[in-house]
Parts: sequence; structure tokens; C-alpha cells
Amino acid sequence: QVHLVQSGAEVKKPGSSVKISCKASGYTFTSFYMQWVRQAPGQSLEWMGWINIGNGNTMYSQKFQGRVTITRDTSATTTYLELSSLRSEDTAVYYCARDNVKVGATFDYWGQGSLVTVSS
Amino acid sequence: QSVLTQPPSASGTPGQRVTISCSGSSSNIGRNDVYWYQQFPGSAPKLLIFRTIRRPSGVPDRFSASKSGTSASLAISGLRSEDEADYFCAAWDDSLSGWLFGRGTKLTVL
Repeated sequence: QVHLVQSGAEVKKPGSSVKISCKASGYTFTSFYMQWVRQAPGQSLEWMGWINIGNGNTMYSQKFQGRVTITRDTSATTTYLELSSLRSEDTAVYYCARDNVKVGATFDYWGQGSLVTVSS
Repeated sequence: QSVLTQPPSASGTPGQRVTISCSGSSSNIGRNDVYWYQQFPGSAPKLLIFRTIRRPSGVPDRFSASKSGTSASLAISGLRSEDEADYFCAAWDDSLSGWLFGRGTKLTVL
């Protein structure tokens, strides 16, 4: 079955960067997209961007343009989210979620989430 | 509009039918599919409905959804205590070129 396992919690200083990993298993990694979504404490979900695992093309939310980078390592079946110039408002749980573009089932499987705390 | 509008809360008694609304605009719900997710505290969201009305395998047929114009709704029939969770709607927005989510509706089973 499909599993997305994310890296652990991080505590970061304002102005620094964080890189979160999402390891996929149980399906053909390169045939899907991977999306990244975050959820601040007690808040709704916020889309950050996606990557086409097959060709590496990316698309980012306008809100995070210039600060976010999504990459993938097909040999490791792992996707990465890097967010730079961190500020306290970036404190949130970050999720990877698979996008089954072929059937239109977006965010059909989710990772367990990675808590990022930004604090001085 | 940077977010879809949902009521903050909804409630019902076991066995009842409850609906949760999601309001958007012509650039998102009005022209694109709607998705619904269920989230329990401390857990990741789970896909309930995709492409506006379709259920993934494993999701009970007690869950159904519809769309009219720029609004969508999720219906839960035969309400059970285990349905108590947060429910989020989502849709692609053509103007923003990005995914929008609702603020979420907390469902309480009385």
C-alpha cells in the first residue's frame, strides 16, 4: 500500500532554512505528482506547491515564490521541500500529499506531517 | 478570494443527515472540481471526495457531495460518533493558479 513517511520535527531560528523530506513507497513514484501543504496551529490548510516527479517540473504558490524549492530524488523515491528566510509565521505542520493526476484524485495520500517551529 | 468559505461548525445526532457547505467564486468552484478532506486532531487529512462527487475506495457511501454554481456541499447520512472531525473543502483557483482550501468545519456528533 501507499506510504509517505516524512522527516521529523525541526526547530529553526528566524532567517534560517529548513529542508523536509517525504519518502514514498508502495507505488510507481515517477508516475505521480507530489504536493506540499502546510497547516499552522489551529488553522486551515495552505497550499505551497507541487512537483511532477516524472520530469521534475514544479509550480509554487505565489505566496512562497522565491522562498520555496521542491525537489525530488527518484532513486531514493523521496521528495524534498526547502523553505528559506524562515519567520515565526512559518511555524506549522508541513505535509506532503500525492497527486494522482491521471484520475484527478488530488492529495489522495498524505504523509504524517513534519512540525517546523521557528523561534529565536 | 484567498480561501473558500465554510461554516466553522456543524452538529447532528447519531443517525441524522448533516450537510457542510463550501462557497467560492467563478475562478475556483465555479469552473473546477471540488475536493473534500476529513481530519482528526493530530492526524493528517484524508481524502473523502474527489472530482466533486467521487468517493475513493474505502470511503463509505454515507458520504456524498454535490456542486451548484460557485458552491459545493458535503453530506453525511446515518451520522456516527466516529464522524466527529474537521472537514475541509478544496478547489483549484484559475486566477491565483493555486489550490484553495476552506477554513474547515468542525463536526460534532451530539
